[in-house]
Amino acid sequence: DAGVIQSPRHEVTEMGQEVTLRCKPISGHDYLFWYRQTMMRGLELLIYFNNNVPIDDSGMPEDRFSAKMPNASFSTLKIQPSEPRDSAVYFCASSGTTLSRGEKLFFGSGTQLSVL
Amino acid sequence: GDSVTQMEGPVTLSEEAFLTINCTYTATGYPSLFWYVQYPGEGLQLLLKATKADDKGSNKGFEATYRKETTSFHLEKGSVQVSDSAVYFCALSDRSNYKLTFGKGTLLTVNP
Repeated sequence: DAGVIQSPRHEVTEMGQEVTLRCKPISGHDYLFWYRQTMMRGLELLIYFNNNVPIDDSGMPEDRFSAKMPNASFSTLKIQPSEPRDSAVYFCASSGTTLSRGEKLFFGSGTQLSVL
Repeated sequence: GDSVTQMEGPVTLSEEAFLTINCTYTATGYPSLFWYVQYPGEGLQLLLKATKADDKGSNKGFEATYRKETTSFHLEKGSVQVSDSAVYFCALSDRSNYKLTFGKGTLLTVNP
């Protein structure tokens, strides 16, 4: 398997624009997570899905952020409108329920977002 | 809620030095504990894990022991290499809701 695939790797946009980040989890994994990484706050969980259903979105910073998982092989994280403080690296990760206790997350390479 | 506190970096060592990165946690119940590593420009990778008290996780010369009495999971390596330069994250898993909570990460730089 190719691992968790995220696109784009880098995104530069202007304040106010809509940004869409994409993720393809590992085939067969039924949990998908979106994390945001910044120097100030470290790694924050934004939202996670189980079997395409959002389970916990308490980490989503505000209404400008939304995430969807229309099927088992695709998820999007959308920011509309974007602001400079949204600049960060956004990671997608997946895992499967067949794992033994001690769940392992598989991370994508991340999307570096810069909002000017 | 659950939280992880790890020593702030950066940590700079010479090759073959001994490494310790401290990690303590706060959690209800009995979480699983993890160390993840992030190499430059990449996502995080699982380094090692422990699922119950007194378990020792080990991988690539790194070790960490789940200490319930001190709520700690310190990462150690006897002799670091330049290739170990990376950011190390301590994390815990709340088994009831399948979430991982990460510490802020510790940047390790190993000089030749």
